[in-house]
Amino acid sequence: GAVVSQHPSWVICKSGTSVKIECRSLDFQATTMFWYRQFPKQSLMLMATSNEGSKATYEQGVEKDKFLINHASLTLSTLTVTSAHPEDSSFYICSAREPTSGRAATQYFGPGTRLTVL
Amino acid sequence: AQSVTQPDIHITVSEGASLELRCNYSYGATPYLFWYVQSPGQGLQLLLKYFSGDTLVQGIKGFEAEFKRSQSSFNLRKPSVHWSDAAEYFCAVGESPGSARQLTFGSGTQLTVLP
Repeated sequence: GAVVSQHPSWVICKSGTSVKIECRSLDFQATTMFWYRQFPKQSLMLMATSNEGSKATYEQGVEKDKFLINHASLTLSTLTVTSAHPEDSSFYICSAREPTSGRAATQYFGPGTRLTVL
Repeated sequence: AQSVTQPDIHITVSEGASLELRCNYSYGATPYLFWYVQSPGQGLQLLLKYFSGDTLVQGIKGFEAEFKRSQSSFNLRKPSVHWSDAAEYFCAVGESPGSARQLTFGSGTQLTVLP
């Protein structure tokens, strides 16, 4: 099956610093990747859609200057949390959508990254 | 706008008992439906999906789900639950293949399995 990896799996940083999270599709090319945020005991909240070679599309209420997304290749998307603050502490999950071919595509999820901002 | 409702926040079953997790959706066209499972501190694993055809879908780990258009439901079932099935389960509905947004998730159902 399709595998998506994330790195790091957890990170602790000081307030004001920036943190980069990588999302990779290991065995397929993904023109579209998604970034989600999940608070404890809650569902996933879509933050943005990352499109290879173009700008990301952000959901309403998500600060694009704070959550920088880069999708430079068909297998890698990065999320950079800039000037992180304690309220940015959360579980961040990425997913990669398999290429469509006249049918609905499936999203495969990474294992998530736990971010703690002190 | 599409939406997904999982009416049960938390379900507890005994090991070996049968399981049914409910999922209702609201979508104007033919839905693409998914069930994912999430273990603590982990990402989501796809259990099964429905795009078209046979309304009874078989998935991994012995799970199945049945699409009922008349009831707008896509309930997940397992005849005999194992302790390792304890996790959070999410139902999701997808938009058309070309849509970038694609997935809307339900709020999740936490499954506890008693020995």
